[in-house]
Amino acid sequence: GAGVSQSPRYKVAKRGQDVALRCDPISGHVSLFWYQQALGQGPEFLTYFQNEAQLDKSGLPSDRFFAERPEGSVSTLKIQRTQQEDSAVYLCASSTGPYNSPLHFGNGTRLTVT
Amino acid sequence: QQPVQSPQAVILREGEDAVINCSSSKALYSVHWYRQKHGEAPVFLMILLKGGEQKGHDKISASFNEKKQQSSLYLTASQLSYSGTYFCGTEPSTQGGSEKLVFGKGMKLTVNP
Repeated sequence: GAGVSQSPRYKVAKRGQDVALRCDPISGHVSLFWYQQALGQGPEFLTYFQNEAQLDKSGLPSDRFFAERPEGSVSTLKIQRTQQEDSAVYLCASSTGPYNSPLHFGNGTRLTVT
Repeated sequence: QQPVQSPQAVILREGEDAVINCSSSKALYSVHWYRQKHGEAPVFLMILLKGGEQKGHDKISASFNEKKQQSSLYLTASQLSYSGTYFCGTEPSTQGGSEKLVFGKGMKLTVNP
């Protein structure tokens, strides 16, 4: 079966541009997570959805970051007015949820802000 | 709050064993282990819940010492395919069952023929 799909795989943005990163979770997975991974570091939590409800957005670095999952399936992470420090790999993960379930990660979107 | 993993990197020959440690300053509800190869997605290995249990499959096993807030991953008779970066993800007890994981910086394992 299909795993978690993320698009685009690579994104280059000029500083100040807005970007939208898409995540297609495994069908039927209730929980969806966004993580940010800097080079040589572990994934850092950004936000978490259970179905369409955003239950935790404590990891979003600033109000330039916004995530949505309007129908409880596909999710979009939007970054407004990108800055160089936003350069990283953005990982999406889904799980059957709600508790103690393995996370299934996508291959990520590598964002480079120039 | 980020768990500390040790060692940071290990180089093994095929067939050798390795232990990866993960320590937290906070009481833990669960520990997850993932392996990530370069440019790929992290892949789930196992979950351990508080209670000091030990789990394993094939030649990879793990333990969780709730009192010490530590978990260890044991790789036995390593294979070339074990190469990659190993991350532990911890869930503090204060948010038990929330699925929000805090990951360590990872341990890079290289297995050579």
